[in-house]
Amino acid sequence: GDSVTQMEGPVTLSEEAFLTINCTYTATGYPSLFWYVQYPGEGLQLLLKATKADDKGSNKGFEATYRKETTSFHLEKGSVQVSDSAVYFCALRKRSNYQLIWGAGTKLIIKP
Amino acid sequence: EAGVAQSPRYKIIEKRQSVAFWCNPISGHATLYWYQQILGQGPKLLIQFQNNGVVDDSQLPKDRFSAERLKGVDSTLKIQPAKLEDSAVYLCASSENRDTEAFFGQGTRLTVV
Repeated sequence: GDSVTQMEGPVTLSEEAFLTINCTYTATGYPSLFWYVQYPGEGLQLLLKATKADDKGSNKGFEATYRKETTSFHLEKGSVQVSDSAVYFCALRKRSNYQLIWGAGTKLIIKP
Repeated sequence: EAGVAQSPRYKIIEKRQSVAFWCNPISGHATLYWYQQILGQGPKLLIQFQNNGVVDDSQLPKDRFSAERLKGVDSTLKIQPAKLEDSAVYLCASSENRDTEAFFGQGTRLTVV
C-alpha cells in the first residue's frame, strides 16, 4: 500500500544551520505531497505542498521539490531559527480518494 | 476566521469507561475528519464525513468507536469501552471539500489507565 517514510528524529541543529529532513514515498499513481508542521501545544498546520512532479513548494523559508524519479520530497531551509523547533510531518494525498497518508514525523530542535 | 475547535483538551479515564470528544469545524467546511495520533506516529484516519454522510470509516474500530456529524456541522467521536491502547491524541480537521487544504484543531489528548 501507499506509504511515507521520514528520517527519524530528533534532529538537533544550531541556529543558522542548514536543514534537510528526508522524506520518501511509495504510491500508485501521482499523489500530491505535503509538509505539515506542529509547534508545541498547537495543531497541525500546512507548511507547503506540491501537486505534480518537479513542482517546488515553499513557505517561511522552507522549500521542498517533488522528485518523481527518486520518489522524494525532502524539506530544506537555508538558515534555521529557534522558532522553527517543532515536529514536521511529510504526507501524501492519493488522487483516487483524497486520503492523506502520513509519515511518523521528525522532531526538530534548534539550539541558540 | 475561527479555527477548528475541539474539546476537551485532555482526558484521563480508566479502561472500560466511555469517553466522548467534540469538534466544531470551520464554518462552511463540508468535509470533516477524525484522526488518531499515537505518540511517535503520524495521524491515522478514523473517519471522514462529507456534510453529514460518512465517506470513509474503513479504519474505525466499529466495535468500540462511533462518530456522528448531525446536521453536517459539529461532530462527536465516542469510545466505549476504552482500552489502554486507545491512549493517543484525537485530532479533528475540516476542509472546504475533499480535495482542498485540511485545517486541524489542537487535539484531545486521551490517557487510558
